[in-house]
This record gives sequence, C-alpha cells and structure tokens, in this order.
Amino acid sequence: ELKVEQNPLFLSMQEGKNYTIYCNYSTTSDRLYWYRQDPGKSLESLFVLLSNGAVKQEGRLMASLDTKARLSTLHITAAVHDLSATYFCAVDSAFRDDKIIFGKGTRLHILP
Amino acid sequence: SAVISQKPSRDICQRGTSLTIQCQVDSQVTMMFWYRQQPGQSLTLIATANQGSEATYESGFVIDKFPISRPNLTFSTLTVSNMSPEDSSIYLCSVGINYGYTFGSGTRLTVV
Repeated sequence: ELKVEQNPLFLSMQEGKNYTIYCNYSTTSDRLYWYRQDPGKSLESLFVLLSNGAVKQEGRLMASLDTKARLSTLHITAAVHDLSATYFCAVDSAFRDDKIIFGKGTRLHILP
Repeated sequence: SAVISQKPSRDICQRGTSLTIQCQVDSQVTMMFWYRQQPGQSLTLIATANQGSEATYESGFVIDKFPISRPNLTFSTLTVSNMSPEDSSIYLCSVGINYGYTFGSGTRLTVV
C-alpha cells in the first residue's frame, strides 16, 4: 500500500527566511505532484514532477524529485506572507490505476 | 488542463437526508475521482468513477453510502446518503489529463 509522508505538518516562519518541506513515499513511483490549498478553497496545482532528478521552479518555490530516495522537496526562498497556505504532495499509485495518494499536508504560516 | 464545474458549492443538510453533488468537465475523460476532505485534514479518495462500469471504492467507503453515477465521459455525481454529522466535510471531484490532476471547487457539506 502506498504511503505518503510529509514533514513538517505545521510550520511557522518569518518573512525572508528559507525553508524546505519534505515528502517521502513508500513504493516505486515516478510521478509526484505538489498542490497549494488556501483556507476554504480547492486545490491549486503547483508542480508536476515526472522523472528522477526533475526540478521545477516558480517564483519563490522550487520542487525537486529523487525517485531513488523516494523523496521530493518543496523549497521556499525568502518567504513572503502571501505564501501562507497548506501545501500537499501527492504520488501516483504504483498500480498505474491513475489515482493519486495525498500526504497529510503542511500548514505553512508566514509571519509578516 | 481541464475545467471542472462542481455544484453545489455548499449545503447544510438535516441528519438522515441525502445530497447529490455534480461535477461537469469541459472535456472527455475516462476516469473521475471523488475525494473527501474532513476539517483540517488531507484528501482521502472515496472512489474512482469509470464511464460504463461500476465505480471502484476505496477501503472504508461503500456504494450504499456513496453511490456514484457516471453516465458519460464529462459528467459524474456523488450522493452522500443517510447523512450524519460525521459526514460534514468538503467533497471534491478530480480528473487527470496529460499527467496533471485538476480539482473541482469543492462542496462544503454541513450536516446538522
């Protein structure tokens, strides 16, 4: 059974600081997704990582994937208050039945 | 990416009643996914809906409680039956296209 673990689950940080959210998963998969969710809203797709070594960047966010370590990271550079949200990673089921399994999410609070 | 119209956006329902949630996609998709997000929690997959066949339910979810229809390649409904306060959650539909997954805006259900 595929398990997806994120850490930390809660993060409070100052503006201008850097931090990394980690996503570990338990079985072979080469597709990983990062989403953002604002309170009361649906999920917004941030990154789709499709292969080992994939790195994608958008603004202050950068995501990477290491399929051998079964690890993805979401790095935040010089955080700003607008990035406060909950961030989820999700991984494709190893059975290729096209369903994705979510981590518990990281609730990020950036202090102005 | 696909655009999903989900309705209702929110509802307050009496215990013991049922609510049907609709999702309309702007393109044809083979599979649609239904998720539940309990307050402050991550997304849990309820079932996968294929057009022309019975939905596939995840462990802990049964058809009698969450019947699903998938009459064509652009539409699906999820019914939450015989509701109790424990069913109060956000329900989201999702589709996968071109290695990305798009989510509907969600239905916030409160059972009183």
